[in-house]
Amino acid sequence: DTGVSQNPRHKITKRGQNVTFRCDPISEHNRLYWYRQTLGQGPEFLTYFQNEAQLEKSRLLSDRFSAERPKGSFSTLEIQRTEQGDSAMYLCASGTRGDPRREQFFGPGTRLTVL
Amino acid sequence: GQQLNQSPQSMFIQEGEDVSMNCTSSSIFNTWLWYKQDPGEGPVLLIALYKAGELTSNGRLTAQFGITRKDSFLNISASIPSDVGIYFCAGVTSGSRLTFGEGTQLTVNP
Repeated sequence: DTGVSQNPRHKITKRGQNVTFRCDPISEHNRLYWYRQTLGQGPEFLTYFQNEAQLEKSRLLSDRFSAERPKGSFSTLEIQRTEQGDSAMYLCASGTRGDPRREQFFGPGTRLTVL
Repeated sequence: GQQLNQSPQSMFIQEGEDVSMNCTSSSIFNTWLWYKQDPGEGPVLLIALYKAGELTSNGRLTAQFGITRKDSFLNISASIPSDVGIYFCAGVTSGSRLTFGEGTQLTVNP
């Protein structure tokens, strides 16, 4: 399977706990994106990386959120001191810089439930 | 927050009918993408549009990039039960982030 993969697929945690999600992009893609999707809404942009550099962050990304892509391959998204409002589907997508088509391909997502 | 207005919010149709949905924006986009999302899964790219006025087909799907670059529509012909899902439009500006519409929930009755 050469698509975008995300782990875990589901995470249930208690308020105040820290959680970390992983995304493995399509291997030849140098751009990696994180989005958040709440029920009944379209995905909303959080941040993106080009190789290991984090180039843009949304205002949605509070200081409790941190994302890394240390070797320019997989990425992790950590949420510290989770709140019930963090419950959502966290989606990762990958693409290629310089691709005039600007296409982004999504993984299956990680569903976070904060109790 | 969302900048794209997608309509209708939901559609209930009979198998075999054609479907049309659209997106409008107050902003200009350089690329329009249409995705389909099944419950509990990530969005899957259906069609991409790159030039104003462009009309593109993918099987039973046809999409157009509006002349003003502020709108796009998606048509599905001869719907089948597996077309059920949520359809999203997404626009791309000169940057890299996708801005999504609110989605159109499609239900197809056999």
